[in-house]
Amino acid sequence: NAGVTQTPKFQVLKTGQSMTLQCAQDMNHEYMSWYRQDPGMGLRLIHYSVGAGITDQGEVPNGYNVSRSTTEDFPLRLLSAAPSQTSVYFCASSLTSGGGSTYEQYFGPGTRLTVT
Amino acid sequence: GQQVMQIPQYQHVQEGEDFTTYCNSSTTLSNIQWYKQRPGGHPVFLIQLVKSGEVKKQKRLTFQFGEAKKNSSLHITATQTTDVGTYFCAGPWSGGSQGNLIFGKGTKLSVKP
Repeated sequence: NAGVTQTPKFQVLKTGQSMTLQCAQDMNHEYMSWYRQDPGMGLRLIHYSVGAGITDQGEVPNGYNVSRSTTEDFPLRLLSAAPSQTSVYFCASSLTSGGGSTYEQYFGPGTRLTVT
Repeated sequence: GQQVMQIPQYQHVQEGEDFTTYCNSSTTLSNIQWYKQRPGGHPVFLIQLVKSGEVKKQKRLTFQFGEAKKNSSLHITATQTTDVGTYFCAGPWSGGSQGNLIFGKGTKLSVKP
């Protein structure tokens, strides 16, 4: 199993450009999520999905869109990049349940994004 | 809003010394998770604690969940250079549906050989 994969590893964008960060997992996990990590800020949840066709906002969703057409893929779209979106982006997946439990999250290797 | 706080932010130790990081939540947690992130890497799950007062050990690492389920700690005995990295605690996020986590800002550990 490849686990959680992310592409690209590095990306430089100019302000106003759009792009899609790709995330895929081969563990048949229903739950997938996107985090951003900034120095000294820990990991902050951007968007998440509890299954194909179902997405919702996390703590810091502004400026980002997501969709979930398959169990395996969960792309993150930046509509109009801003310097404030310079960050490291991690995708994660886990099992999920209807009981409010949390499970071990498996993280991808990350995408390092710079917006100039 | 809900907060998970970790102290200290940084810890520098000599190899062989002990290390402890503390995690405090503004709300009662049903469980708490700990992750380790090596420099330049991604977070990797270490453990989940569920019961009040629970203590779990993994070799030199000891994890504890407070009686009130609002705090937790990670203690490393006799640190080694392989322990270098940032340690995060995380609890269920109250702002969404099941499965979401809210992370502390982490404690960055450096170990001098």
